[in-house]
Amino acid sequence: AQSVTQPDIHITVSEGASLELRCNYSYGATPYLFWYVQSPGQGLQLLLKYFSGDTLVQGIKGFEAEFKRSQSSFNLRKPSVHWSDAAEYFCALRSNDYKLSFGAGTTVTVRA
Amino acid sequence: GAVVSQHPSRVICKSGTSVKIECRSLDFQATTMFWYRQFPKQSLMLMATSNEGSKATYEQGVEKDKFLINHASLTLSTLTVTSAHPEDSSFYICSAMDQSTGWDVLTFGAGSRLTVL
Repeated sequence: AQSVTQPDIHITVSEGASLELRCNYSYGATPYLFWYVQSPGQGLQLLLKYFSGDTLVQGIKGFEAEFKRSQSSFNLRKPSVHWSDAAEYFCALRSNDYKLSFGAGTTVTVRA
Repeated sequence: GAVVSQHPSRVICKSGTSVKIECRSLDFQATTMFWYRQFPKQSLMLMATSNEGSKATYEQGVEKDKFLINHASLTLSTLTVTSAHPEDSSFYICSAMDQSTGWDVLTFGAGSRLTVL
């Protein structure tokens, strides 16, 4: 069975500071991994995805993520957060039937 | 880029009535759409896979008679919550696969918040 774990429920970070959101997965085959962001009351916006190849993936809004097979992780990072980055972040894994399994999400609060 | 439109964005209904939520792919065709449900401060749970021209596939524990899904065209899937009750109040989100991108990425709608009184 596949699963996605986001260990951090809530992270508070100062504006301009770096941000790292953790994601661990469990899957029996090569994972297709995604990070999405959700603003309150909104749908999901894709930040980046990993299918294969370079393990460091660049996304939109200055985000990047690194796939580490040995650690079953796909952590999301941003060097310098902006107040507009305050949102809910979801890590997701796509199975062979194209269904997405989501982690529980991490709420990011940005303080001035 | 691919855009998915959901309507209505918010709906309030009385207990016992039925509510229909539409999910449209605006600039691409989607033979497959997915419906998710999200409770407050929780993650998204897949409810069903909607296939154009055939019956939807429901996830375990989802009542197919309660949540009717129709995917009558390549750009429209509808979710009807029948005989709604307060416990059906939730945020419903659809997503669609743009096959022209090689089935790589799902595009999500903005969601529909259902409140059942």
